[in-house]
Amino acid sequence: SQQGEEDPQALSIQEGENATMNCSYKTSINNLQWYRQNSGRGLVHLILIRSNEREKHSGRLRVTLDTSKKSSSLLITASRAADTASYFCATDAGTGFQKLVFGTGTRLLVSP
Amino acid sequence: DVKVTQSSRYLVKRTGEKVFLECVQDMDHENMFWYRQDPGLGLRLIYFSYDVKMKEKGDIPEGYSVSREKKERFSLILESASTNQTSMYLCASSKQGDGNTIYFGEGSWLTVV
Repeated sequence: SQQGEEDPQALSIQEGENATMNCSYKTSINNLQWYRQNSGRGLVHLILIRSNEREKHSGRLRVTLDTSKKSSSLLITASRAADTASYFCATDAGTGFQKLVFGTGTRLLVSP
Repeated sequence: DVKVTQSSRYLVKRTGEKVFLECVQDMDHENMFWYRQDPGLGLRLIYFSYDVKMKEKGDIPEGYSVSREKKERFSLILESASTNQTSMYLCASSKQGDGNTIYFGEGSWLTVV
């Protein structure tokens, strides 16, 4: 079963613009993670936010978490063509065990 | 750097064949996972293991089995491959404990004809 649902499914922007992706989930969580996947490759971890945190930054990435709405957002500032990839949110679904459940992803295209 | 290595990047197998997908990690991680990824469906967990010889079913275990005889190696087995198992298979590993990063291999593209 899918825990996370990303929105939008696809996003196309110009270099220099900001990209915002949203993730909604269904059950309570201990933490939420964002991953990136270049076309045809494996996933790479970007950032983790715990359920007691509301916002976290890492370089050009900003993640927010609203547990009351069961949603998270990933903001990439000053996008570059190299940011073109699919982005997935993943939650532990409150299992207490590190079994992540992934959403369907947002495909981001950043044009030069 | 953590490395998760999947033995085959691209495979083409015939319907009914037994298929082995091998995965090795070099960071002494307790947890290992097998996911499959299909367009529009995202990643779905097939099986995971939190210790040697231990395995747990994920969301879509039907038609698959796994083996973890050594800590660093986690194998996915398709007993009798079918065309609906054509997919991208991703192996991953992580340390035991809440909130640890999961590290993925590069994926194995399996086509069953």
